Amino acid sequence: GESVGLHLPTLSVQEGDNSIINCAYSNSASDYFIWYKQESGKGPQFIIDIRSNMDKRQGQRVTVLLNKTVKHLSLQIAATQPGDSAVYFCAENVGAGSYQLTFGKGTKLSVIP
Amino acid sequence: NAGVMQNPRHLVRRRGQEARLRCSPMKGHSHVYWYRQLPEEGLKFMVYLQKENIIDESGMPKERFSAEFPKEGPSILRIQQVVRGDSAAYFCASSDPSETQYFGPGTRLLVL
Repeated sequence: GESVGLHLPTLSVQEGDNSIINCAYSNSASDYFIWYKQESGKGPQFIIDIRSNMDKRQGQRVTVLLNKTVKHLSLQIAATQPGDSAVYFCAENVGAGSYQLTFGKGTKLSVIP
Repeated sequence: NAGVMQNPRHLVRRRGQEARLRCSPMKGHSHVYWYRQLPEEGLKFMVYLQKENIIDESGMPKERFSAEFPKEGPSILRIQQVVRGDSAAYFCASSDPSETQYFGPGTRLLVL
């Protein structure tokens, strides 16, 4: 039979507000995490990464927080702009010689001008 | 400094034909990865290659799919006898040994 597509979680924010996108990861052995931004019709674009020996890392307008206790990752975007509208994916790597990235389902961020 | 390049960007094939997708990694990168993405889903790992070697093909279907990364030239993902279920976006990523993977723009394959 025909499969039903899953609808992406959606987050709508007002331009200028801060955005928080959450991700639950599955593998407690994962030691490297990346956030990617994917605009319509384009490939994933690297935003920021973090290793498991850290719990916070900041970039330009973005901050990633890692809570290993509950296996939770979040991406904070400060002063959200219309150009931030995209689908955001978290990806994890279990390390130990594995190079596979396991992607989450994604969150669609819509910025209201 | 060119990023990861993929071609073609769009490819239409009829059932039973062959699809060849090409990927040129970023300059200086010797590691190439292929992922598949269905609509409104995350990317799924297919295969990881270094020059002339397949390192991990655990995500690749056992039949009809093959990948190579020759000493000279781009990496090729080849799908023989395509079926409608092969319709998807195929992304290539490259890295140096430091793990961060950078993605190309993808090839959108449509099987009629």
